[in-house]
Amino acid sequence: DAGITQSPRHKVTETGTPVTLRCHQTENHRYMYWYRQDPGHGLRLIHYSYGVKDTDKGEVSDGYSVSRSKTEDFLLTLESATSSQTSVYFCAISPSLRTGELFFGEGSRLTVL
Amino acid sequence: GDSVTQMEGPVTLSEEAFLTINCTYTATGYPSLFWYVQYPGEGLQLLLKATKADDKGSNKGFEATYRKETTSFHLEKGSVQVSDSAVYFCALSDRNSNDYKLSFGAGTTVTVRA
Repeated sequence: DAGITQSPRHKVTETGTPVTLRCHQTENHRYMYWYRQDPGHGLRLIHYSYGVKDTDKGEVSDGYSVSRSKTEDFLLTLESATSSQTSVYFCAISPSLRTGELFFGEGSRLTVL
Repeated sequence: GDSVTQMEGPVTLSEEAFLTINCTYTATGYPSLFWYVQYPGEGLQLLLKATKADDKGSNKGFEATYRKETTSFHLEKGSVQVSDSAVYFCALSDRNSNDYKLSFGAGTTVTVRA
C-alpha cells in the first residue's frame, strides 16, 4: 500500500473556526491532490500540487487554501469553516502524469456545526 | 470540459449474479479511463484502467472495454461475491492535457447479498 497518512481522521468544529488537514506521504511522489467526497457528487477536486510550492486550483477551491513546503506534506486549510464544508476529504498522490493512477489516503471526516 | 456519467445506484444483487455498471464520458482529447473502488471505511483504489480505444482492463474478475464509438467504459463482473460490496467510480484523465487531473463520476453503490 502507498504510504499516505491523513490527519486528523475525524474532526468536529464550529462555524467560523480555522481547520487544517494534513496529508503526509512516504513515497516521494511529485503530484498530490485534495478531493472532497459528498453524496451525489462523487469526488471533486479542491486543489492539487505538482511540486514543492507549486499548486493549482481544482473545481471547488473557494474557501480552501493549500500549501506544500516539502515533498512529503500537503496541507489543506479552511480559513473559516462553514457547514457546507462538512464532508469527507481525501488526499491522493501520483508519481507520474503518464500512468493516470492515484493512490488515496483513508480520508478525513470533517463536521462543521 | 471533460466529464463522466455513471449509472445511479444503489444496486443490490444476490451472490453469483451478473453485475454491470454503465459509464459514459465526454472528452475533447484522448482520455485514459479508469474504474476505482471504495470499500467501506477506506479510500479509493484503482480497480482497472484502459488507455486507448478497444483496450480491455481487467482485475479481480472485473472487466471494462474502452469503446470510443459509444464513448463508454462499462464495468462488468460475471459472478459477484459479498466481498464486492463497495462504491465504484468511473474516472477519466486527458492524456493530452498539461494539467493532470482525474474527473470522477458520482459513484455507484453496490450491495451483494448472500
